[in-house]
Amino acid sequence: DTAVSQTPKYLVTQMGNDKSIKCEQNLGHDTMYWYKQDSKKFLKIMFSYNNKELIINETVPNRFSPKSPDKAHLNLHINSLELGDSAVYFCASSPTAGTYGYTFGSGTRLTVV
Amino acid sequence: TQLLEQSPQFLSIQEGENLTVYCNSSSVFSSLQWYRQEPGEGPVLLVTVVTGGEVKKLKRLTFQFGDARKDSSLHITAAQPGDTGLYLCTSNFGNEKLTFGTGTRLTIIP
Repeated sequence: DTAVSQTPKYLVTQMGNDKSIKCEQNLGHDTMYWYKQDSKKFLKIMFSYNNKELIINETVPNRFSPKSPDKAHLNLHINSLELGDSAVYFCASSPTAGTYGYTFGSGTRLTVV
Repeated sequence: TQLLEQSPQFLSIQEGENLTVYCNSSSVFSSLQWYRQEPGEGPVLLVTVVTGGEVKKLKRLTFQFGDARKDSSLHITAAQPGDTGLYLCTSNFGNEKLTFGTGTRLTIIP
């Protein structure tokens, strides 16, 4: 069983579209995250949820909206996609907020054309 | 904003050679983790170091935490093609947010 699973793995879409990425973890962790990895491989946090509550919200355009229906799921919805949104998006989880040892999903490569 | 600088940015060596990569910060780490990321995958945790001066070994990988807890190194002995990947150091600097280093892209040539 995959510990942190993201879908889809690849997403190619046109500018202006709205898309969602889903993430699920079966580790029983309380905290989940979304990270963005740019073309230079730099990983930057976007959002974090602890037990369905938003605890980290970095400077991210309002077009990005996370949703956590329960502590095992954290989805990312993106409105009005732009070329600059092209990147690899990683979901991760940890036992609690601020604890060591994140478990990452395998990423979603988003390409906006 | 805490910054983690990793060096070198790129490293390409022959199989069997030894190498060391570095992670530095101007701030004190509360703890530090090393991850390896392979192409098409997410980062995978290798080790966590907490105490200044701590040394941890994971097979051919040796991780060292600086005495002042502002730097760390990863030494690989007799590198193998399977060691190829992006090596990332990270720390949460005592808060809830994990900050990643700039990364070292390692390529081991068979």
